[in-house]
Amino acid sequence: NAGVTQTPKFQVLKTGQSMTLQCAQDMNHNSMYWYRQDPGMGLRLIYYSASEGTTDKGEVPNGYNVSRLNKREFSLRLESAAPSQTSVYFCASRGGTASSYNSPLHFGNGTRLTVT
Amino acid sequence: KNQVEQSPQSLIILEGKNCTLQCNYTVSPFSNLRWYKQDTGRGPVSLTIMTFSENTKSNGRYTATLDADTKQSSLHITASQLSDSASYICVVSAGAAGNKLTFGGGTRVLVKP
Repeated sequence: NAGVTQTPKFQVLKTGQSMTLQCAQDMNHNSMYWYRQDPGMGLRLIYYSASEGTTDKGEVPNGYNVSRLNKREFSLRLESAAPSQTSVYFCASRGGTASSYNSPLHFGNGTRLTVT
Repeated sequence: KNQVEQSPQSLIILEGKNCTLQCNYTVSPFSNLRWYKQDTGRGPVSLTIMTFSENTKSNGRYTATLDADTKQSSLHITASQLSDSASYICVVSAGAAGNKLTFGGGTRVLVKP
């Protein structure tokens, strides 16, 4: 099973450039999430999608947009990259129904983004 | 504000030794607490989940405890192996549906031969 797949694995951008981080899951999960992980800090939620067709802001949404393309895919877009967005980005998914909020998040292996 | 604090930030242990990681939280209303293991360059993977009524739970050489009164959890690693070198993240769920997650900053463990 592939689980959660993220592309690309690494990316270097110049300030002001745009890019889209891709995420796909093959576990038929309803909920999908985008987190960023910075040294010394816990994972912080950028955006999430509780189900296909819905998206909501998390803790740190500024400078990002998302698209829940279908049940499998959830993309994260940086319209105008800034050095403060240098980070490791993780996509995650889980069942998403009320009865499955005790189920674990399944994470991809991350995209390491550097903005110069 | 919901917070999760982990200690120590990092530790080095010799292969075969035991160690204990701490997690203190101020999350309300508490739903559950989960420990994740994150290998270098990989995403976190769930080790164990603790609900309000559970005091201890084991997963192989990993044993998690929960004291809901003092809002503390610990993760004990027994007979450490080189493969235990990783970051360990404590995540607390809040809310009636348990869908609001607060992440600790993690403890980085290095096991040396």
